[in-house]
Amino acid sequence: QKEVEQNSGPLSVPEGAIASLNCTYSDRGSQSFFWYRQYSGKSPELIMFIYSNGDKEDGRFTAQLNKASQYVSLLIRDSQPSDSATYLCAVNDNYGQNFVFGPGTRLSVLP
Amino acid sequence: SAVISQKPSRDICQRGTSLTIQCQVDSQVTMMFWYRQQPGQSLTLIATANQGSEATYESGFVIDKFPISRPNLTFSTLTVSNMSPEDSSIYLCSVIRESNEQFFGPGTRLTVL
Repeated sequence: QKEVEQNSGPLSVPEGAIASLNCTYSDRGSQSFFWYRQYSGKSPELIMFIYSNGDKEDGRFTAQLNKASQYVSLLIRDSQPSDSATYLCAVNDNYGQNFVFGPGTRLSVLP
Repeated sequence: SAVISQKPSRDICQRGTSLTIQCQVDSQVTMMFWYRQQPGQSLTLIATANQGSEATYESGFVIDKFPISRPNLTFSTLTVSNMSPEDSSIYLCSVIRESNEQFFGPGTRLTVL
């Protein structure tokens, strides 16, 4: 069974710090990796995706992928209270039909 | 991205009744899915809504309980049948674009009394 694991948190960081969110996956055939942000009472919102090993930066967000270690992470620089949400990691096999979501990590940015 | 709407946004229903949730997308998409998210939990895929054929259900979900229609490439419905309090959840439809990115609708919050 394909699995995606995340620390459930909550992860608390002070405002302005770097928040580091981690995700591991079991299926070596996974090709695409996604990070979603979900505010309480709202639906998940796609914030980053990464396909290749290495880093991908978008504003304050950096996604890091290491396929050999089956590990993907999301760094949030200069964390803001508005970043407080649950972050979901998702992987799929590039055929588009097998998205597997992790349980999510709850992030709390303290002012 | 994709503009996805769902109706109703929320509902409170009595045990034993059924509710049909609608999902409308702003453009044609091949891949459309229905998820459930129970309180404090992650997303669980219910089924893939296939246009022109029967939906493909995940383990633990059956057509009699969650019938799905997909009459065209922009619209789908999910019915939650013979509801019980255990069906109280948020139901989300989603689509996948050609870029392989998945986008979610705003969700339908269902409470079964």
